[in-house]
Amino acid sequence: KNEVEQSPQNLTAQEGEFITINCSYSVGISALHWLQQHPGGGIVSLFMLSSGKKKHGRLIATINIQEKHSSLHITASHPRDSAVYICAVYNAGGTSYGKLTFGQGTILTVHP
Amino acid sequence: ETGVTQSPTHLIKTRGQQVTLRCSSQSGHNTVSWYQQALGQGPQFIFQYYREEENGRGNFPPRFSGLQFPNYSSELNVNALELDDSALYLCASSTGPPGAYEQYFGPGTRLTVT
Repeated sequence: KNEVEQSPQNLTAQEGEFITINCSYSVGISALHWLQQHPGGGIVSLFMLSSGKKKHGRLIATINIQEKHSSLHITASHPRDSAVYICAVYNAGGTSYGKLTFGQGTILTVHP
Repeated sequence: ETGVTQSPTHLIKTRGQQVTLRCSSQSGHNTVSWYQQALGQGPQFIFQYYREEENGRGNFPPRFSGLQFPNYSSELNVNALELDDSALYLCASSTGPPGAYEQYFGPGTRLTVT
């Protein structure tokens, strides 16, 4: 079992729909990142959070540390939101640097 | 756009050859991490450099090595290339470890080993 599991793996939506992507992890963490990757490879950081909820425009990210679960929500989805969304968790693991462990990504396609 | 650049964008090499990939960090960032992303998978941590010293490494063999320069640009070197090394290689710069600092990713270098 991977340390970071995302669901669903693929998601298709119609423009305007509310979208939720889930991330569950099995290790203790101190931070979680939500990232967006467009075709061609470039990754953009959307959120970094360690508790509660953050909002940026139409994007909302929540995390429940006790349940080891985070969600990314997109309100009023748009075709330009089509991308791969990746959850990554940070665990220092007793080291001085820590590392990010990534989920496999959720492929989102929004149709007009 | 993050200000992190990588070169080259694409590269084709033959098994057994050596390759050097380059990353120019965002201004003021003293930490760089390198990741390997196979097709259809999430990125895997290769190693991290902080102020020119390697201070963390993932499960990659010694033929994966790196350097960070005084201007905080960095290189990833891979010796004795294998077919499984074909992947997108990403670097991410920041002002500290990813537990407390946002990571700024470059566009990646797509390496194909034939």
